[in-house]
Amino acid sequence: EPEVTQTPSHQVTQMGQEVILRCVPISNHLYFYWYRQILGQKVEFLVSFYNNEISEKSEIFDDQFSVERPDGSNFTLKIRSTKLEDSAMYFCATFLFPTEAFFGQGTRLTVV
Amino acid sequence: GDSVTQMEGPVTLSEEAFLTINCTYTATGYPSLFWYVQYPGEGLQLLLKATKADDKGSNKGFEATYRKETTSFHLEKGSVQVSDSAVYFCALSLINTGKLIFGQGTTLQVKP
Repeated sequence: EPEVTQTPSHQVTQMGQEVILRCVPISNHLYFYWYRQILGQKVEFLVSFYNNEISEKSEIFDDQFSVERPDGSNFTLKIRSTKLEDSAMYFCATFLFPTEAFFGQGTRLTVV
Repeated sequence: GDSVTQMEGPVTLSEEAFLTINCTYTATGYPSLFWYVQYPGEGLQLLLKATKADDKGSNKGFEATYRKETTSFHLEKGSVQVSDSAVYFCALSLINTGKLIFGQGTTLQVKP
């Protein structure tokens, strides 16, 4: 069964540091997403990416965040200067119409 | 805007009890509806889906029917097992996109 792979599974970083979360999408999928789940809360949409550009972003996705697909395979989420409130589980998801979205296992980011 | 509302948890049941987790939605168009499950320490897995009114999604003994007239997609299972203990998320996506809007999640605890 095809799967979405995320690395690392857990990252601890100091406040103010940059982090890059990585995702290897399913090979023929065209739409990519990042979601965030703060501990005990709902899963929130951050950004969608299609045809090498952002197609939609939420209010959460401010200037501290960026996404790219640098080598045509990995899909990355960068947080430039992490804050304590960025601590959360980050999920990558990929989609190919008309199937459903497939999620990775998530990266747990802890900002200290 | 589009949104999903789930019943508050946690829901605690004895093994073999009947399960219902309520989910209602608000959407401007004609969404597809999903239930995702998150087992402890794991990512999001699709449990079932329905893409149009009166469709019934089913998987692993779980069922949910897309009710347009009541804008609901309640999750049911006739006889729960301890292994069903997890967090269940109701979600919607708008046609032709993979972007998901999630409810707040409902924790199910099944005791032997």
